[in-house]
Amino acid sequence: KNEVEQSPQNLTAQEGEFITINCSYSVGISALHWLQQHPGGGIVSLFMLSSGKKKHGRLIATINIQEKHSSLHITASHPRDSAVYICAVSGNQFYFGTGTSLTVIP
Amino acid sequence: NAGVMQNPRHLVRRRGQEARLRCSPMKGHSHVYWYRQLPEEGLKFMVYLQKENIIDESGMPKERFSAEFPKEGPSILRIQQVVRGDSAAYFCASSPRASSSYNEQFFGPGTRLTVL
Repeated sequence: KNEVEQSPQNLTAQEGEFITINCSYSVGISALHWLQQHPGGGIVSLFMLSSGKKKHGRLIATINIQEKHSSLHITASHPRDSAVYICAVSGNQFYFGTGTSLTVIP
Repeated sequence: NAGVMQNPRHLVRRRGQEARLRCSPMKGHSHVYWYRQLPEEGLKFMVYLQKENIIDESGMPKERFSAEFPKEGPSILRIQQVVRGDSAAYFCASSPRASSSYNEQFFGPGTRLTVL
């Protein structure tokens, strides 16, 4: 069983749709990270959060420490949001989810 | 302000050769992390280094792999006697300081290693 589970694995959305990607983890953590990996392979750190909610543009990340669950929301999705979104948790070690592949269709 | 630099971006080696991957952290960052992404798999932590120190190498294979971050110059991930299973994308990330956790990290573009 993986320490970090993401769902869904694949997601296709129409442009403009509201998107939610979920992440559950089973280990104690100090922080949770959301990363974005584009088709070219480069990785960008989107959020690091340890409680509550963070917002950056059209992206919103929330975390519920008690339930060991985080969500990444994308409002008004756009084709340029197409990427793999990776959840990772850090504490004594660093664990990654396997990623959610998002495709936004114009 | 340049981001994290990795070179080469693509590296091809034959079985048995050595691979040296370089990572230059962002200016002012003294903490470097190496990750491996095998084909069709997720990212895996390999090693966390501070200048001249290995802080956590729990993700490093026991043999053939080594990493260093000298006082001057980039961090180096070295793979000796490469095998086909070493073919992967290797990512480096840096952060300005340590805390009780792996705080926010800035990722490099990765080095894609192909072993023939």
